[in-house]
Amino acid sequence: AQSVAQPEDQVNVAEGNPLTVKCTYSVSGNPYLFWYVQYPNRGLQFLLKYITGDNLVKGSYGFEAEFNKSQTSFHLKKPSALVSDSALYFCAVRPPGSSNTGKLIFGQGTTLQVKP
Amino acid sequence: DSGVTQTPKHLITATGQRVTLRCSPRSGDLSVYWYQQSLDQGLQFLIHYYNGEERAKGNILERFSAQQFPDLHSELNLSSLELGDSALYFCASSVAGVVTEAFFGQGTRLTVV
Repeated sequence: AQSVAQPEDQVNVAEGNPLTVKCTYSVSGNPYLFWYVQYPNRGLQFLLKYITGDNLVKGSYGFEAEFNKSQTSFHLKKPSALVSDSALYFCAVRPPGSSNTGKLIFGQGTTLQVKP
Repeated sequence: DSGVTQTPKHLITATGQRVTLRCSPRSGDLSVYWYQQSLDQGLQFLIHYYNGEERAKGNILERFSAQQFPDLHSELNLSSLELGDSALYFCASSVAGVVTEAFFGQGTRLTVV
C-alpha cells in the first residue's frame, strides 16, 4: 500500500538551532512530494514540493527539503529555527500512476516546538 | 489568506441529520479537493472534482456525496450523521494538472452530538 510516514510525533528544538522534520514514503515509481504546515485553527499552507530535478528543494520561510530516492525520504530542514515556526507539519505524496488527479496521501503530522 | 473560502466555519448538529459544506475555490482554479481531518484517521482524501467532473474518489463514505457546480464552487453533503463524522473538513483548490500544489481553505469544523 502507498503510504507516508512521519516517525516523530513531536520535534523540539531551541530557537536558532537547525531543525529537521523527517518523512519517508512508500510508493512504487517516482513520487511527487510535498510539505505543508498547519498553524492552530488554520488551513494547511504549502511550503515546498519535489517533482523532478535537483534533490534539494527550497521553499517558503527559509525551509528546504532533500529528496533521497535510495532512502525513500524527504526530510524538511531549516538552518535556524524561529519560535514562529512552531506548528504542525505534514508530508504528503502524490502517488505515481494517479495521472488524472492531484490527490495527496498525507503523513500523520509532526508537531514542531521551537523554544526561545 | 489562501483565497479558498469555506462556509460555515463551525457546524454543530445532531446524529442522523444532514449538512452541506460549501467551498469556493481560488479564482481560476478548476480543481477542488475535499479532505477530512480527524484525530484518529489524520488527513484523509475524500474526493476530487475537476471542472465539474469527478476525477478521483478516496475513503468517502456512501453517506457522503459531493458536486462541483458550473461556477466551480463545490458542496460536500454529509447525511445520516454519526458521532464519528465529527472532524475538520478541508477544501483545497489548484489550477489544473497533477504537479501544481493545492491551496487549502480554513476548514469547516463539524461536531455531531
